Amino acid sequence: AQSVTQLDSQVPVFEEAPVELRCNYSSSVSVYLFWYVQYPNQGLQLLLKYLSGSTLVKGINGFEAEFNKSQTSFHLRKPSVHISDTAEYFCAVSVLYSSASKIIFGSGTRLSIRP
Amino acid sequence: EAQVTQNPRYLITVTGKKLTVTCSQNMNHEYMSWYRQDPGLGLRQIYYSMNVEVTDKGDVPEGYKVSRKEKRNFPLILESPSPNQTSLYFCASRLKPQGLVGKEEFFGPGTRLTVL
Repeated sequence: AQSVTQLDSQVPVFEEAPVELRCNYSSSVSVYLFWYVQYPNQGLQLLLKYLSGSTLVKGINGFEAEFNKSQTSFHLRKPSVHISDTAEYFCAVSVLYSSASKIIFGSGTRLSIRP
Repeated sequence: EAQVTQNPRYLITVTGKKLTVTCSQNMNHEYMSWYRQDPGLGLRQIYYSMNVEVTDKGDVPEGYKVSRKEKRNFPLILESPSPNQTSLYFCASRLKPQGLVGKEEFFGPGTRLTVL
């Protein structure tokens, strides 16, 4: 069965430092991958997605992610974080399920930015 | 503005008192779903609907019901809520459920439910 593993439940980082949020997936077939962000007291919004093509995907707010098929990873990175990046981040994979695609979410990584 | 709306945003109730959380989308999406979010567990799908009058169970359907009488609305019904249904609930929608199309889901703002 397909699954998504986010290795860190919490990541504390100082402002303007770089950050990497890790995500690994398990799947024996082609996948589509997403990162969603959830700001405090809000719903989830799409940060970026990988469907095909270049393995380096750029998203909103200066985030990017790299798809690595051999390592089955889709880590999220930002070279310099800001206080406003404080949020919970979810990695997700789209899989085929009963003739329709379904999105499976990881357990989330809470990013806290220290001034 | 394209959006998914949910009501209420916050709800405190008691065990056994039936409740409904409404969800509506204005994007003409065929696919809608309900998730619950619990600490350390991420989002788990409760029910989904591929179109009007077509609904199916997700990963954690016990204790919930849904209906899809109109394309835009997808209410979540708790006939007899219990404390283990205390959670944060999200409604989501997207286009074209068929095939592995990788379409992202659009989420509502969430409903925080507490069952005493």
